[in-house]
Amino acid sequence: QSALTQPRSVSGSPGQSVTISCSGTSSNVGGYNFVSWYQQHPGKAPKLMIYDVTKRPSGVPDRFSGSKSGNTASLTISGLQAEDEADYYCCSYAGDYSFVFGGGTKLTVL
Amino acid sequence: QVQLVQSGAEVKKPGASVKVSCKASGYTFTREAMHWVRQAPGQRLEWMGWIDARNGNTKYSQTFQGRVTITRDTSASTASMELSSLTSEDTAVYYCARVELTVGGYYFDYWGQGTLVTVSS
Repeated sequence: QSALTQPRSVSGSPGQSVTISCSGTSSNVGGYNFVSWYQQHPGKAPKLMIYDVTKRPSGVPDRFSGSKSGNTASLTISGLQAEDEADYYCCSYAGDYSFVFGGGTKLTVL
Repeated sequence: QVQLVQSGAEVKKPGASVKVSCKASGYTFTREAMHWVRQAPGQRLEWMGWIDARNGNTKYSQTFQGRVTITRDTSASTASMELSSLTSEDTAVYYCARVELTVGGYYFDYWGQGTLVTVSS
């Protein structure tokens, strides 16, 4: 399985919104509503931010939202805060009990 | 509360094998699944495989097929991942991560703290 395609970096100023895309194929992102997003700060384990394309786990601010269109999923972070600066990874179920991650996106809060 | 506690850092020589363990607590281990994900220095997350703790069934990424073995010890609520024929490219942090099968989950809701495996001669 090839990795899902994410932009290597995005940036935004505090209070602004940013969107991170995650492109796959009909065999993964487009074929299932099982896309999840993870936030990872340096030296830390990933943290689940969005699951099943649009759902937020308890405790995740509603500034984080997810969507999908065709073979591309997106994570939008509104009202950017300094603590949002981190790496973000998408992940999709890819059928046959397998999963695939994206290449990761570094978010910089200016 | 759910906790996944992994074994400590390892240093291995090329060609050797490494076994990393992940002890679960705070939930019924045999009802859910445990996945393994690795991250080489400065690189992306990479899915390796998983074990269904209910019955021991496993599925591995084609990237690691033949080199990775995931097992479970239900009496100890522990999952383990063994990777063989190590090369320097296997130097990475290895994570265990839970998938909640009982809710039909296809996402990793809890993660271990990570185990650094260094392969060096």
